[in-house]
Amino acid sequence: QVQLVQSGAEVKKPGASVKVSCKASAYTFTNYYIHWVRQAPGQGLEWMGRINPTSGGTDYAQKFQGRVTVTRDTSIRTAYMELSRLRSDDTAIYYCARATYYYDDSASPAGYYFDYWGQGTLVSVSS
Amino acid sequence: QSVLTQPPSASGTPGQRVTISCSGWGSNVGSNTVNWYQQVPGTAPRVLIYNNNQRPAGVPDRFSGSKSGTSASLAISGLQSEDEGDYYCAAWDDSLNGPVVFGGGTKLTVL
Repeated sequence: QVQLVQSGAEVKKPGASVKVSCKASAYTFTNYYIHWVRQAPGQGLEWMGRINPTSGGTDYAQKFQGRVTVTRDTSIRTAYMELSRLRSDDTAIYYCARATYYYDDSASPAGYYFDYWGQGTLVSVSS
Repeated sequence: QSVLTQPPSASGTPGQRVTISCSGWGSNVGSNTVNWYQQVPGTAPRVLIYNNNQRPAGVPDRFSGSKSGTSASLAISGLQSEDEGDYYCAAWDDSLNGPVVFGGGTKLTVL
């Protein structure tokens, strides 16, 4: 069955960087974008960025531009999210998710949804 | 502050029908489709509805979605105790907010 398995919890100091991995299995890795979504304690979901595993092309939320980098290694079916210059309000659970497109009647992409999620990685930022 | 607006809480008794609203703007809900996710505490979200009203395989038909203009709704009929959790709407966004925006989430309590 399709699985996304993320790396373990991290504790970081303000100003440091963190890199979270997301290993995919049981599907063709290059056929689906991988997205990163975070959730601060007691808060809602926040989209951060995505990567096209085939081309390596990325898009990021404006809020994280310049601080987040999403990469992938197709040889080991793994995507990575690196967040730099960490602050205390970056404390959150970070999820990777696979995106599946759906199409309208003219076969044009109408949207996508996140059909599989990683288990989440808690990143704690504290001095 | 989330781009899409949801009520912070909703509740119902077993067997009842509950609806959760999601209000957006022309750049997101008004011009793109809406998805809904359920999150049980301590677990990752799972998709309930995509493309406004489509259910992925395995999602009970008690869950239904609709959209009109810049608003969308999730309806849960025959409420069950296991439906308790947080519900989020999401949509593509054509503005600088995008490409994906979420609602702030609605905590559903089954009384």
